[in-house]
Amino acid sequence: DAGVIQSPRHEVTEMGQEVTLRCKPISGHNSLFWYRQTMMRGLELLIYFNNNVPIDDSGMPEDRFSAKMPNASFSTLKIQPSEPRDSAVYFCASSPPGRGGVAFFGQGTRLTVV
Amino acid sequence: DQQVKQNSPSLSVQEGRISILNCDYTNSMFDYFLWYKKYPAEGPTFLISISSIKDKNEDGRFTVFLNKSAKHLSLHIVPSQPGDSAVYFCAASGNAGNMLTFGGGTRLMVKP
Repeated sequence: DAGVIQSPRHEVTEMGQEVTLRCKPISGHNSLFWYRQTMMRGLELLIYFNNNVPIDDSGMPEDRFSAKMPNASFSTLKIQPSEPRDSAVYFCASSPPGRGGVAFFGQGTRLTVV
Repeated sequence: DQQVKQNSPSLSVQEGRISILNCDYTNSMFDYFLWYKKYPAEGPTFLISISSIKDKNEDGRFTVFLNKSAKHLSLHIVPSQPGDSAVYFCAASGNAGNMLTFGGGTRLMVKP
């Protein structure tokens, strides 16, 4: 079992550039989450998909952020244009049905916008 | 408005002794409470959970206690080991799905 796979592990980009983060959830899991961790705000939920459908995107900070899940095995989080305040660690997590909130996290993508 | 709070940013404990990590919440609609452990440069790892209908759940050295009237939960680790040194996050989820609301984390240091 490979776990949740995120790519890239590290990304350094210039302000104004487009950034795309990728996630492959665990096979058989029907829920997928994108979280962001910063020193100021801790771990915060950005968006939640269930069966590939976005259910709650109230955590997405602004229109510069978008997320897609075209199929059960792939999701992307895109930031366009990126800003220095977007610098953070972005985690993808997936969850099987009926596990009462238990989610399995990827290793994260550390994004630095300069 | 922090719905899940961990008031102690850090805790230092001697190896072999008990570690007690605390967490408070405000939303009475939460159904499940979970503890995650996080090492540097890794994602959070699920440790133990408890349903809101229970008051205790035990798994080896780890026990979670839930006091619904006080809206408080705690994680007990006994005996503590140096490998337990990590950041511990308390989290809660409700009926609306598996979305987790996290506390700010407590850094546990277990000294040999």
